[in-house]
Amino acid sequence: GENVEQHPSTLSVQEGDSAVIKCTYSDSASNYFPWYKQELGKGPQLIIDIRSNVGEKKDQRIAVTLNKTAKHFSLHITETQPEDSAVYFCAASKVVGYIPTFGRGTSLIVHP
Amino acid sequence: DADVTQTPRNRITKTGKRIMLECSQTKGHDRMYWYRQDPGLGLQLIYYSFDVKDINKGEISDGYSVSRQAQAKFSLSLESAIPNQTALYFCATSLTRAGVYEQFFGPGTRLTVL
Repeated sequence: GENVEQHPSTLSVQEGDSAVIKCTYSDSASNYFPWYKQELGKGPQLIIDIRSNVGEKKDQRIAVTLNKTAKHFSLHITETQPEDSAVYFCAASKVVGYIPTFGRGTSLIVHP
Repeated sequence: DADVTQTPRNRITKTGKRIMLECSQTKGHDRMYWYRQDPGLGLQLIYYSFDVKDINKGEISDGYSVSRQAQAKFSLSLESAIPNQTALYFCATSLTRAGVYEQFFGPGTRLTVL
């Protein structure tokens, strides 16, 4: 089955800096890669996703890049703000019969 | 009102007790999932259901069972709880529709087994 590795487990940055979280996956058939944000005391919420036919996708301060050959994808957050502090999960899945495999999560701390 | 609700939100129980966690959704989604979250281990899939008559085991189903009572309700049971089932449990839903894959998570149930 699919295996998703996520790094780092903890990331501490100053407000205004950029943050990058990286994930690798094992199944070359995976073609959908979502990112979820989990705020304290809440369930995860989708923030951005990318399909395998696209190399990069942006939404305001967040972007995701995908390298199918190397089987890795990354989340980029620019101009970080304290409200970006949360746990972020990457996931990988096949679109057909969608069952995502999640990474172990990254705790992002943005210091004011 | 929340689209995906879980009851109870917190539960403390003893080893050997039977526990049921309930999930209800008003999103009209056909797919429902149960996940377990442990610190540093991410989200692990316990069971999933693509419709009322469809139940599938996930990666960590041992010690758990589920019931899909209706499209909107999906319950998780621990027949005889053990301490290593202490964790945060999430229910999630999604819709079977081409191009739409987002999962919507409930607020979670924190379970402690003593």
